[in-house]
Amino acid sequence: EVQLVESGGGLVQPGGSLRLSCAASGFTFSSYSMNWVRQAPGKGLEWVSYISSSSSTIYYADSVKGRFTISRDNAENSLYLQMNDLRAEDTAVYYCVRLYGDPKDIDYWGQGTLVTVSS
Amino acid sequence: DVVMTQSPLSLPVTLGQPASISCRSSQSLVYSDGNTYLNWFQQRPGQSPRRLIYKVSNRDSGVPDRFSGSGSGTDFTLKISRVEAEDVGVYYCMQATHWPSWTFGQGTKVEIK
Repeated sequence: EVQLVESGGGLVQPGGSLRLSCAASGFTFSSYSMNWVRQAPGKGLEWVSYISSSSSTIYYADSVKGRFTISRDNAENSLYLQMNDLRAEDTAVYYCVRLYGDPKDIDYWGQGTLVTVSS
Repeated sequence: DVVMTQSPLSLPVTLGQPASISCRSSQSLVYSDGNTYLNWFQQRPGQSPRRLIYKVSNRDSGVPDRFSGSGSGTDFTLKISRVEAEDVGVYYCMQATHWPSWTFGQGTKVEIK
């Protein structure tokens, strides 16, 4: 069974930093590209960042470019999102999402971790 | 970016009655391989999204056959033949054709009258 378990969310002040983690199991993590997708409270879904299976290709949404860094450790079956210079508008549940195929399509989602940016 | 527009945004339905959600994209979702990468996700209250339909009309494993997807090009529809109480939630369409900018519809909230 595919499992994606996010952690690391919490309350942080504007301008602060946070590192999210996603622990993957039930599939060969090193063979899959991954995304982070977020959902502001009561709002819709927004793609945040992409990383290929080997980390050779990375993309970011314009809203987080220059502030967020995606990475992964295939030996540890883990995905990360380093978030710096956080803003109130970054407040959201952050989901770890598995991709497959060509084009990269989404199938499985984690349960999400809540990031709240507030003073 | 490709804009995905859903309607209606709120859908009150009587138990046992059908429901239909429309999704339109600002560009064709036909990929270079001839397939159309349009998905439908269900998000029940307090849960993460779960994929129901992929490539327009293919149901994921375990998805009841009362859910069906159709459409082509830029116009797509999700239908629930007979709404059950467990179908309450928000439904999103999403395109993967124009990656790496995956885009979602605004969501349609399905509730029981």
